[in-house]
Amino acid sequence: EAAVTQSPRNKVAVTGGKVTLSCNQTNNHNNMYWYRQDTGHGLRLIHYSYGAGSTEKGDIPDGYKASRPSQENFSLILELATPSQTSVYFCASGEQGSGNTLYFGEGSRLIVV
Amino acid sequence: GDSVTQTEGLVTVTEGLPVMLNCTYQTAYSDVAFFWYVQYLNEAPKLLLRSSTDNKRTEHQGFHATLHKSSSSFHLQKSSVQLSDSALYYCALRSNMGYKLTFGTGTSLLVDP
Repeated sequence: EAAVTQSPRNKVAVTGGKVTLSCNQTNNHNNMYWYRQDTGHGLRLIHYSYGAGSTEKGDIPDGYKASRPSQENFSLILELATPSQTSVYFCASGEQGSGNTLYFGEGSRLIVV
Repeated sequence: GDSVTQTEGLVTVTEGLPVMLNCTYQTAYSDVAFFWYVQYLNEAPKLLLRSSTDNKRTEHQGFHATLHKSSSSFHLQKSSVQLSDSALYYCALRSNMGYKLTFGTGTSLLVDP
């Protein structure tokens, strides 16, 4: 079974503070992704990566940065957190190719007050 | 770009009755795969079934879906729902570019006893 783990699982942050969400995968997948989940919007892609050292903007990258220091790790960084970034964030990994599925972590619930 | 439409936000069905969750899509690519993901409460989304073959029925865990490119649809069906089927269901597509899954907004299925 593919394994994607996220930390922290729950986080309360203050407006203007810095937040880092971490993701580790043991699948040896090249591609990793950060999505946020909001009612009425579904899962929306923030950033993704093709491999160590690469990060690409997804559909809603504003206010977020990403870092991929190794094959296994992919972080999402909120330099100046805002209440609109209150959400559940999911990390996923997968291989290139249209037929390949993504494997999701358990999610990180972030509340910005 | 790619888009997926799920028109129902919430579907309520009595246990033992059939259900169909609607999914339509738009894509400019020919090499595309389609997915249904299921997310139980406080869990990660996980693959339910996938297809890339036109007019072929795909089945898993009692659910089935048939890709119809002529109508750009990939509806999910089950002939007799169970209480344990209550969950959030996402339709998604991945084009031959292969770098991301594009999700619909999700449909919550609530099965009443």
